[in-house]
Amino acid sequence: GENVEQHPSTLSVQEGDSAVIKCTYSDSASNYFPWYKQELGKGPQLIIDIRSNVGEKKDQRIAVTLNKTAKHFSLHITETQPEDSAVYFCAASPPYNQGGKLIFGQGTELSVKP
Amino acid sequence: GAVVSQHPSRVICKSGTSVKIECRSLDFQATTMFWYRQFPKKSLMLMATSNEGSKATYEQGVEKDKFLINHASLTLSTLTVTSAHPEDSSFYICSAKGTGASTNEKLFFGSGTQLSVL
Repeated sequence: GENVEQHPSTLSVQEGDSAVIKCTYSDSASNYFPWYKQELGKGPQLIIDIRSNVGEKKDQRIAVTLNKTAKHFSLHITETQPEDSAVYFCAASPPYNQGGKLIFGQGTELSVKP
Repeated sequence: GAVVSQHPSRVICKSGTSVKIECRSLDFQATTMFWYRQFPKKSLMLMATSNEGSKATYEQGVEKDKFLINHASLTLSTLTVTSAHPEDSSFYICSAKGTGASTNEKLFFGSGTQLSVL
């Protein structure tokens, strides 16, 4: 089955710097890759996603890139702000999974220092 | 995006009692919902897949008799932790698969329920 590896586990940046979180997946059939932001004591919030027919997607300060050949995808946050501090999870969804079940990475705790 | 409402947000119960957690899709119909469990500083662990009108599919190692799931309508799924014990204390989160032009196939999560069993 699918396996998703996420790095780094923790990331500390200065406000205004960029942050990059990387994930690799094992199943080449996976075709949907969402990213979630989770604040303490809350449920994950979908922030951006990408499908396998697209190489890059951008939404304001957030972008995701996908390399299907290498089976990895990355989250890029530019001009980071303290409110970006949270745990970020990547996920992958193989098409054969029931109803769109997601396989999550281990999470990255991002800390943006003012 | 679609809104998923989860209640209660926090519950404290005595050992041996049962606790029900509700998950509602507020502005869309969800034929499929998922229940996750999360330990502190850990990733989300899928417990079961809930399909409207049919039995839930449980992940390996999850006791179906202990974690009862009911998905009686297209907007509501419930998770009942039966005969709760301290080791069941955890953060439980539901998610629902969106249906619609802009949210199709996307998963949206509830706000989670922190269960503490004394």
